Amino acid sequence: AQSVTQLDSQVPVFEEAPVELRCNYSSSVSVYLFWYVQYPNQGLQLLLKYLSGSTLVESINGFEAEFNKSQTSFHLRKPSVHISDTAEYFCAVSDGSGGSNYKLTFGKGTLLTVNP
Amino acid sequence: GAVVSQHPSRVICKSGTSVKIECRSLDFQATTMFWYRQFPKQSLMLMATSNEGSKATYEQGVEKDKFLINHASLTLSTLTVTSAHPEDSSFYICSAPPRGLRNIQYFGAGTRLSVL
Repeated sequence: AQSVTQLDSQVPVFEEAPVELRCNYSSSVSVYLFWYVQYPNQGLQLLLKYLSGSTLVESINGFEAEFNKSQTSFHLRKPSVHISDTAEYFCAVSDGSGGSNYKLTFGKGTLLTVNP
Repeated sequence: GAVVSQHPSRVICKSGTSVKIECRSLDFQATTMFWYRQFPKQSLMLMATSNEGSKATYEQGVEKDKFLINHASLTLSTLTVTSAHPEDSSFYICSAPPRGLRNIQYFGAGTRLSVL
């Protein structure tokens, strides 16, 4: 079985400040890792993913996450946030071997609120 | 990127009626689709896996007779909430991995169900 822990339920920051949203996972098999963003009353949008290769992955809007196998973490970072980054962020894991049909297990989410 | 369309975006119904929610992959085929339920300020909980041409696979604790799933084609899955009650009020989201790329899921915009 897999699980995902997002340590912070809410993270308030000021505009242009750096931010880190923490994610830790547990799994007995290899994993794929994802960050999704959800704006109010909308579905989820894929922000970035780690499948294999480089442990540092980046999104087109300045977010990055680093897969750390030894610490079983996949923290999300952005050096300078904007008001428009205000949203709920979900970390998710799936079985990297294809077991369980690639079903996603989600963390409870972190609400990022960027204040002016 | 791939687009998943979910309809309706919002539905209000009376207790005891049935509601059908559609999930369509617009520019790719999906032999598998996933249905999630999200309670306010909580994470997504997988309800069932919809399989084209065969029966859906339900997660533990999800009533298959209550939540009927039909995967009619490679681009369409439907979730019918039968005899809806107020406790069924929730945000329902579908996702679909493109055929051959099952480690990536694209999400619909969600359906807000309110049962009076």
